[in-house]
Amino acid sequence: AAGVIQSPRHLIKEKRETATLKCYPIPRHDTVYWYQQGPGQDPQFLISFYEKMQSDKGSIPDRFSAQQFSDYHSELNMSSLELGDSALYFCASSPRNEKLFFGSGTQLSVL
Amino acid sequence: GENVEQHPSTLSVQEGDSAVIKCTYSDSASNYFPWYKQELGKGPQLIIDIRSNVGEKKDQRIAVTLNKTAKHFSLHITETQPEDSAVYFCAARRGYQKVTFGTGTKLQVIP
Repeated sequence: AAGVIQSPRHLIKEKRETATLKCYPIPRHDTVYWYQQGPGQDPQFLISFYEKMQSDKGSIPDRFSAQQFSDYHSELNMSSLELGDSALYFCASSPRNEKLFFGSGTQLSVL
Repeated sequence: GENVEQHPSTLSVQEGDSAVIKCTYSDSASNYFPWYKQELGKGPQLIIDIRSNVGEKKDQRIAVTLNKTAKHFSLHITETQPEDSAVYFCAARRGYQKVTFGTGTKLQVIP
């Protein structure tokens, strides 16, 4: 069965650079969620989209932005990267109000 | 917002024994409670979930119980196997909102 696809799998950036993470949801899933997971931490909710509109917002820094496109894929844009942004970033998708399925994540390292 | 507490943070059991992980949630309106298993470097994998109109659900060696009055829910794994070793997260969700994770339990099954 198709799963949530995230790219890239690994990303290394310098401080103050920008990064773009991509997420391709499971077909026919109309909701996308972004989570950030630090080492040894639980996933923290950043932002979600339903039918290409932002549906909820969590502890997402102003330096980050995201959108969902007409084909339902989503991108998380991160600017002015800081060392503390180093983490695993997960995307999850679901049909409305149904089970969330997570991708394998993007490991972002900021040097 | 929702707050999910999870205990214990680490759990070691002998192969074949049972493992129990307990969670409490704060938002009495939460109505969906998934459990995720996360292996190192991978995304959270949904293993079982329960809705608030059900008190117990079982899937082979895994069972989940929910006490809405006390706002407690638990994961039970019987006949544990080495491949059950992972980090387990409980989570809670209200309606269409985000999934809020517990702090995680690192389960080690000793052969």
